[in-house]
Amino acid sequence: NAGVTQTPKFQVLKTGQSMTLQCAQDMNHEYMSWYRQDPGMGLRLIHYSVGAGITDQGEVPNGYNVSRSTTEDFPLRLLSAAPSQTSVYFCASSFRHQGRDNYGYTFGSGTRLTVV
Amino acid sequence: GIQVEQSPPDLILQEGANSTLRCNFSDSVNNLQWFHQNPWGQLINLFYIPSGTKQNGRLSATTVATERYSLLYISSSQTTDSGVYFCAPCSGTYKYIFGTGTRLKVLA
Repeated sequence: NAGVTQTPKFQVLKTGQSMTLQCAQDMNHEYMSWYRQDPGMGLRLIHYSVGAGITDQGEVPNGYNVSRSTTEDFPLRLLSAAPSQTSVYFCASSFRHQGRDNYGYTFGSGTRLTVV
Repeated sequence: GIQVEQSPPDLILQEGANSTLRCNFSDSVNNLQWFHQNPWGQLINLFYIPSGTKQNGRLSATTVATERYSLLYISSSQTTDSGVYFCAPCSGTYKYIFGTGTRLKVLA
């Protein structure tokens, strides 16, 4: 049981390049999400998904795309990288809100992205 | 959208001391979580606490949803408690909004 796995751990991109951050979980969680963390600003929600084929926007979705073709995977695509997207990106997953007392909310270890 | 304010922003304690961290939020919520981010960046869920009080070892949390605040209590602090504590209320379906955190340093 690996939990939430994010790859790569570090990445440097040039302005205008595109790339995909990978996120996979093996806990059969229905809910998955992407956050970015900038210094002094906490975490901000980019996109989330409540199941395969269902995605929705968070607080800061511009410049990012997501898809959810399987329960396990939730990749985040940067369409045309900009220096403002330099950040640490975290993926998280949990069970759906169905009256549980604990949803098993689990974060990956993060991807540190620098755009130059 | 919902606004989240955490206080204090920074806190330094001697090992063994107790502390209370506060989270105020601007709208009604249907869920709220507390997280700890350790000095290596790993985020761990501490509590789901939409209302009432929960305890887990030296940590406990209370949310008074009608008054729009939540408190995290840390008793007999240890150096391993150092890091940043975030609260994240959820006002819609699954949209958790994080505060800017309380940075805690526990001195040996």
